[in-house]
Amino acid sequence: EPEVTQTPSHQVTQMGQEVILRCVPISNHLYFYWYRQILGQKVEFLVSFYNNEISEKSEIFDDQFSVERPDGSNFTLKIRSTKLEDSAMYFCASSGGLGGSNTGELFFGEGSRLTVL
Amino acid sequence: QKEVEQNSGPLSVPEGAIASLNCTYSDRGSQSFFWYRQYSGKSPELIMSIYSNGDKEDGRFTAQLNKASQYVSLLIRDSQPSDSATYLCAVNRRDDKIIFGKGTRLHILP
Repeated sequence: EPEVTQTPSHQVTQMGQEVILRCVPISNHLYFYWYRQILGQKVEFLVSFYNNEISEKSEIFDDQFSVERPDGSNFTLKIRSTKLEDSAMYFCASSGGLGGSNTGELFFGEGSRLTVL
Repeated sequence: QKEVEQNSGPLSVPEGAIASLNCTYSDRGSQSFFWYRQYSGKSPELIMSIYSNGDKEDGRFTAQLNKASQYVSLLIRDSQPSDSATYLCAVNRRDDKIIFGKGTRLHILP
């Protein structure tokens, strides 16, 4: 069964360091997302990506965040200068299209746990 | 006003009974609606999607949508201990920004 894969599963970093989280979405999906979930809190939307550009982003997704699809398979989230409050589980998700529209049915990876010290 | 609202629970339901989970949303133009299940420490897993008013059934799960009331619900029939999890309501606004509620913790009592 097709699945979304994420690496690393856990990353520990020092405050101020750059972090890159990687995702391989389901191969025939067209819409890609990053969410984060701080421990015990809700799943928060960060950014959506379609047709090689950002389609929507949240207030959380400020200038320290960026996304990229460097090739036909990978989708990355970069955090330029990490802060303590960036510690969270980061989920990548993808969805397919139907009749030219986004089904909105998200398939999530297992997540990358980021710990900022 | 929160975009997607759910009671946080916990909701305790005896095994074999019907669990009823509710969700309201604020953007009247929202187009599609989803229920996800999230076990502790795991990623969300899609259970149901619903796009038009009325009921949609899939096995033991029934999703109900009322756009006029901006209300979505999920019924779980014949609840099993394995249904114990947090259930997340998600709403796809017109702009493809899919927003999640905080989730309702469901506990099925054996």
